[in-house]
Amino acid sequence: EAGVVQSPRYKIIEKKQPVAFWCNPISGHNTLYWYRQNLGQGPELLIRYENEEAVDDSQLPKDRFSAERLKGVDSTLKIQPAELGDSAVYLCASSLDMGPQHFGDGTRLSIL
Amino acid sequence: RKEVEQDPGPFNVPEGATVAFNCTYSNSASQSFFWYRQDCRKEPKLLMSVYSSGNEDGRFTAQLNRASQYISLLIRDSKLSDSATYLCVVTPSGGYNKLIFGAGTRLAVHP
Repeated sequence: EAGVVQSPRYKIIEKKQPVAFWCNPISGHNTLYWYRQNLGQGPELLIRYENEEAVDDSQLPKDRFSAERLKGVDSTLKIQPAELGDSAVYLCASSLDMGPQHFGDGTRLSIL
Repeated sequence: RKEVEQDPGPFNVPEGATVAFNCTYSNSASQSFFWYRQDCRKEPKLLMSVYSSGNEDGRFTAQLNRASQYISLLIRDSKLSDSATYLCVVTPSGGYNKLIFGAGTRLAVHP
């Protein structure tokens, strides 16, 4: 069974530039999560989707972050414009309903 | 105060040692409890769930004290391959859908 696939693996951009991350969940998983993990910290939930509906986006900084999951399968997370403090690892996870979450390898973002 | 607090470590132990990690959580309504393992530059992976009665999986034993809002993980006979960061995780409601992670405790096992 293929795991959660994320791309790119690494991204380096200058501040104020836009950036996008992509996630393909495990086949059949209807719930998808985006987390941010800062250095030396645990992951923090940004947004959770059930199929194509965002059911928990309370921690998503909506002034610069956006996400979509148009067909209820893969998802993109966008930051525009990026700030220095956005440097982190962005993790995607998926689950079947409220079952165990499986994480992807993450996208490591560095802002110059 | 953070919802989930852990000693960041690092814990440096020799192979074969027994090591224990502690974790406290602030929300008394927390329902489910887990330990995750995260290797350097890798994704978190579920190590084990934690039950009120305590549970064991091979060399790993997890304990929960709801009255004290305290969770522990004991690793016996440490292996080099146990070197990783151990993340304490709680959920505010039943199920896995809202994971709240601690900052993690780093373990380094040396020969």
